[in-house]
Amino acid sequence: AQTVTQSQPEMSVQEAETVTLSCTYDTSENNYYLFWYKQPPSRQMILVIRQEAYKQQNATENRFSVNFQKAAKSFSLKISDSQLGDTAMYFCAFMIAGAGSYQLTFGKGTKLSVIP
Amino acid sequence: DAGITQSPRHKVTETGTPVTLRCHQTENHRYMYWYRQDPGHGLRLIHYSYGVKDTDKGEVSDGYSVSRSKTEDFLLTLESATSSQTSVYFCAIGSGENTEAFFGQGTRLTVV
Repeated sequence: AQTVTQSQPEMSVQEAETVTLSCTYDTSENNYYLFWYKQPPSRQMILVIRQEAYKQQNATENRFSVNFQKAAKSFSLKISDSQLGDTAMYFCAFMIAGAGSYQLTFGKGTKLSVIP
Repeated sequence: DAGITQSPRHKVTETGTPVTLRCHQTENHRYMYWYRQDPGHGLRLIHYSYGVKDTDKGEVSDGYSVSRSKTEDFLLTLESATSSQTSVYFCAIGSGENTEAFFGQGTRLTVV
């Protein structure tokens, strides 16, 4: 079974600063995908970024980037130039590639507050 | 936005009553999922479907059943609601093929 651990239940960052959210996972699989989802107060789940495990290059989407360390089973999210709209719950998630259900296994989430 | 709609958006029900939540998609995706979200637990998979009439259990399936008679609809039923099933329920869809899942707006269910 796969597990995803987010060790920071809550974090805060000043507007325009940079913050890093941590995520570690445990799996015996070699091919998988990792995701960060954002859940603002509206409750909508929004995909922020995805990473394929077979790719060594870290994924980047505008102000969002990841630090993927496959050997360490670590997948952190860096948010640069934080904005008030980044205030949300952030969930790290794992999916086994090419098999069965394509279900997501989620961490418990990190609540991020961006302070003006 | 992915074409996925959950109904109802909010519901309050009494212990012991049956409840059905509906998920409707217009994307023709093969896979559909029901998750529940609880504080301190993130999202946990209840059941999923990989085709019409093809379903399987997830991590927290006890007390829940599902049905999928059409590609576009996936129903979650609580046969006899309990207070422990008070939660926010999310439906998600995906095409498999290693793509991300798209989520509905969620249903807040309160069992009193």
